[in-house]
Amino acid sequence: DAGITQSPRHKVTETGTPVTLRCHQTENHRYMYWYRQDPGHGLRLIHYSYGVKDTDKGEVSDGYSVSRSKTEDFLLTLESATSSQTSVYFCAIRWDRGYEQYFGPGTRLTVT
Amino acid sequence: AQSVTQLDSHVSVSEGTPVLLRCNYSSSYSPSLFWYVQHPNKGLQLLLKYTSAATLVKGINGFEAEFKKSETSFHLTKPSAHMSDAAEYFCVVSESGGYQKVTFGTGTKLQVIP
Repeated sequence: DAGITQSPRHKVTETGTPVTLRCHQTENHRYMYWYRQDPGHGLRLIHYSYGVKDTDKGEVSDGYSVSRSKTEDFLLTLESATSSQTSVYFCAIRWDRGYEQYFGPGTRLTVT
Repeated sequence: AQSVTQLDSHVSVSEGTPVLLRCNYSSSYSPSLFWYVQHPNKGLQLLLKYTSAATLVKGINGFEAEFKKSETSFHLTKPSAHMSDAAEYFCVVSESGGYQKVTFGTGTKLQVIP
C-alpha cells in the first residue's frame, strides 16, 4: 500500500460538464501520474508531475488539464466532459530512487 | 522509442498446470521491465520488476520472469496455476531517467479452469 487514495471512486456526469478527479498521497513522493484504462489499450498516460507546479503532458492529454499545488495532491480536470472520456482513471506515484510505479484504486467515470 | 507487445490477449490454463504469459519489448535504452496484475474491478499490483540486476526475477505469489536481451523478451511464468491467479496481467517497459516514460502492454487475461 503506497498510501494513495482517489476520489471520487465512481462518478456519472453529463456531456459538457466539468469534472475534477483527485489523487492524494501521504508519503511525499515527487512523481505522480494520471492514466486512463480502456479495453484493448492497457493504460495510457494523460499527464504527469515531477514536483509542485511542475507538470507535463502524456500521450493522451487532449481534453485534460492537471494541477499540483501541494505535494500530496494531484488533480485531473476534464474541462468539458465528452463520452469518449468515459474510462477508468488511475493515479500512480513513483519513489524518487525507484523505477516502479504504485497505483491508486482507480476512479470509474461515466459520461452520458 | 519504446514499445511492448503482449503476444496473447487471453490465456486459459487448468488449475495446477504451468502458466506462461508472453511479452516482447523494444527500447532504445537499457530498459526496466515490470509485470503488474489486475484483479477484476481492482487497481494494479506490482508482481515483479527487472532493473538490470539478475536476469531471472522472482515475484510475489510464485511468479517469475526471465529477461532475455537477445530475444527482447520478458515472459512471465508460474509452475502451478491457482484459481486466485485468474486476472489480467500487464507487461510494462520503462526507460530510466527523467520522468521515466512508461509504456504498458495491452494486457493478457488469464483464465484458470478448475
